[in-house]
Amino acid sequence: DIQMTQSPASLSASLGETVTIECRASEDIYSNLAWYQQKPGNSPQLLIYDANSLADGVPSRFSGSGSGTQYSLKINSLQSEDVASYFCQQYNNYPWTFGGGTKLELK
Amino acid sequence: EVKLVESGGGLVQPGRSLKLSCAASGFSFNDYWMGWVRQAPGKGLEWIGEINQDSSTINYTPSLKDKFTISRDNAQNTLYLQMSKLGSEDTAIYYCARWGYWGQGVMVTVSS
Repeated sequence: DIQMTQSPASLSASLGETVTIECRASEDIYSNLAWYQQKPGNSPQLLIYDANSLADGVPSRFSGSGSGTQYSLKINSLQSEDVASYFCQQYNNYPWTFGGGTKLELK
Repeated sequence: EVKLVESGGGLVQPGRSLKLSCAASGFSFNDYWMGWVRQAPGKGLEWIGEINQDSSTINYTPSLKDKFTISRDNAQNTLYLQMSKLGSEDTAIYYCARWGYWGQGVMVTVSS
């Protein structure tokens, strides 16, 4: 199985700040990577797919980048509604696997 | 509007079985792979598996393959997850998912 190592596990940032979350795959996943946002009590919502494509309806302050084994999610100008947990997922090889998650809080 | 509504969860005793359902609407169900993901309380996401459009291909995460069975009924626009030999480690919210969309989840608690 491909292991997805996500960092940091938790993050505290101020409104308006830029935040970056990293995800490292144990082998090349050829940009077959998605990012999800999960707010407390809700199901995950797709933010980014194919490493850098924005899902429908997702604000442009979210962006994804990376290739090979290293990927990142960037949130520009952090808003209060961005407080959530974020997960990466690879879909290059079965079984699909998720990163451990990053809990983002406001400072 | 795409809607995925899970049902069938609840409290179940260790060693017993349970079958979850996911009713889909708002899209052409038989055009899509469908899958299940679970999340233990306060934990991360675990992919269970997925099934293709005509049920000819089903992929599972290896550790769950002998306990869980995914199936679908395209005439009823419904996805299923049959779970057997349940243990406390299977206590989780179970989500039905299609690419880009997730249901609200259903809680399964395994306890005596």
